[in-house]
Amino acid sequence: ELKVEQNPLFLSMQEGKNYTIYCNYSTTSDRLYWYRQDPGKSLESLFVLLSNGAVKQEGRLMASLDTKARLSTLHITAAVHDLSATYFCAVDEAGGGADGLTFGKGTHLIIQP
Amino acid sequence: DAMVIQNPRYQVTQFGKPVTLSCSQTLNHNVMYWYQQKSSQAPKLLFHYYDKDFNNEADTPDNFQSRRPNTSFCFLDIRSPGLGDAAMYLCATSRAGKLSAGYTFGSGTRLTVV
Repeated sequence: ELKVEQNPLFLSMQEGKNYTIYCNYSTTSDRLYWYRQDPGKSLESLFVLLSNGAVKQEGRLMASLDTKARLSTLHITAAVHDLSATYFCAVDEAGGGADGLTFGKGTHLIIQP
Repeated sequence: DAMVIQNPRYQVTQFGKPVTLSCSQTLNHNVMYWYQQKSSQAPKLLFHYYDKDFNNEADTPDNFQSRRPNTSFCFLDIRSPGLGDAAMYLCATSRAGKLSAGYTFGSGTRLTVV
């Protein structure tokens, strides 16, 4: 059974600080996805990481994937209040991307002024 | 814009009264998924259709059924909703074999059972 573990599950930080969210998974998949979810809303795709060593950046967020360690990180640089949300990592197992995603429990991020 | 559309956004149903949630897509993706997300939890896959082939997750209750009459539409039927079925239901699509496109999620239907 595929397991996806995120930590921390809750993070309160101040604006301007840096922090990293970690996502470990148990399968040999080389595809990992990061999503953002605001309260009461659906999932917004942030990053799709498709190979070992993949690194993607968008604004203050940067995601990386180490398939050998089965680890992905989401790094937040100089956090701002607008980044407050819940962040999920997710993994799929199938070779063709057809069996759906297994999600981590999510990291509830609060950024305080 | 190509997208995944879920209707309704909010659904209130009575305990035990059958309810159907709808999902449509204009992406021409061959795989469609239904996820259940309870409050403060991660989305959990209920089942998916790969073309016309239905794939049920082992722990999805029998109370949940799905139909996919054509490529564009997929429905989630809850035969006898209980209070524990109150959740956000998310529809998603993907194109099997095109990994870079990832998964596209609809805006969700929030189900309340009274």
